Amino acid sequence: ETGVTQSPTHLIKTRGQQVTLRCSSQSGHNTVSWYQQALGQGPQFIFQYYREEENGRGNFPPRFSGLQFPNYSSELNVNALELDDSALYLCASSLFEPGNYGYTFGSGTRLTVV
Amino acid sequence: AQRVTQPEKLLSVFKGAPVELKCNYSYSGSPELFWYVQYSRQRLQLLLRHISRESIKGFTADLNKGETSFHLKKPFAQEEDSAMYYCALEGGTDKLIFGTGTRLQVFP
Repeated sequence: ETGVTQSPTHLIKTRGQQVTLRCSSQSGHNTVSWYQQALGQGPQFIFQYYREEENGRGNFPPRFSGLQFPNYSSELNVNALELDDSALYLCASSLFEPGNYGYTFGSGTRLTVV
Repeated sequence: AQRVTQPEKLLSVFKGAPVELKCNYSYSGSPELFWYVQYSRQRLQLLLRHISRESIKGFTADLNKGETSFHLKKPFAQEEDSAMYYCALEGGTDKLIFGTGTRLQVFP
């Protein structure tokens, strides 16, 4: 059984640029959620993907978008990067079924916007 | 609004001392509550959830709906318990709402 893998591990981008972060879900999981963790804060929910469609979104602007692929892997895209987007981005996979709260987190991608 | 509050950023204890990490929540319904832990240089992982009423690594947490609290307790802290602990709430939308975390330091 493989866990959740995220790439890249670190990334430095310039303000205004666009970035794509990738996540491979754990074997057997069909749902992927993305979280942003700013320094000194807890993770904040960005959005979730199930069956290749967005299934819930947190309080993030539209320049944060995502995709889920048939193999349940996912991408997080952020356009027009701002300095405040600097954070650790976490991906969590789970199996979408009632009463199941088995989220498996990846190690994260640390994004620095300069 | 759904919110999780962890009032302590840092909790320092000596080995063998009791530990209580505080967590209060704001939610109008019946939430599902969790404790997640992040050890140094490791990923975030689930420690326990209130619905399973289990004890993991000696930790327990009781949901107190009257006080809207879900404090994490351990009677005798170990050095290997040193980590970042996050309380989280799942409010029926399959998303987790995390607190800001408490760093537990256990000194020998």
